[in-house]
Amino acid sequence: AQKVTQAQTEISVVEKEDVTLDCVYETRDTTYYLFWYKQPPSGELVFLIRRNSFDEQNEISGRYSWNFQKSTSSFNFTITASQVVDSAVYFCALSGGANDMRFGAGTRLTVKP
Amino acid sequence: GAVVSQHPSRVICKSGTSVKIECRSLDFQATTMFWYRQFPKQSLMLMATSNEGSKATYEQGVEKDKFLINHASLTLSTLTVTSAHPEDSSFYICSAKDRGRLETQYFGPGTRLLVL
Repeated sequence: AQKVTQAQTEISVVEKEDVTLDCVYETRDTTYYLFWYKQPPSGELVFLIRRNSFDEQNEISGRYSWNFQKSTSSFNFTITASQVVDSAVYFCALSGGANDMRFGAGTRLTVKP
Repeated sequence: GAVVSQHPSRVICKSGTSVKIECRSLDFQATTMFWYRQFPKQSLMLMATSNEGSKATYEQGVEKDKFLINHASLTLSTLTVTSAHPEDSSFYICSAKDRGRLETQYFGPGTRLLVL
């Protein structure tokens, strides 16, 4: 069975702080994909990143960075120098051999000015 | 990039009526489409997987007779909520897989359903 755990339900930071959103996953598939999505109040999911199970390289995109560690089954997401516009719900998701996608519970991030 | 549209974006209906939600892949062919439901402050839960030309596969606990899914073409899937009740009020999101890029799902903007 596939499972994604986002233990942090809500996080509140002050603008310019760095924040890390945790994601731990479980799967029996040897080939799988991990994703992060942002969901602003409008509801539309915004794709942030996809990482396949064979690529453990960390990635940086502007203020965003991702740390994928298969040894701990984690795929954490860090926002550097957070901004008010980063306030949203962030979902980590896993897609495996069955081709469907399982989402974590989401972490609601509030960035205060 | 691949675009998925949903129509309508919002719908309000009376209890007991049926509501149809359309999901279209605009610039690619989608052999597989997925329907998710999201209740307020909760995560997205997969309802069903829809393959073009065949019957949808429903997740455990999802009533197939209540949530009718039709995937008649490679660019269109519809979800019909039959005899809707207030507890069906939710945010419904579809996604589609590009047959050329099966590792990625493209999500629609979602449909907010309110049943009075």
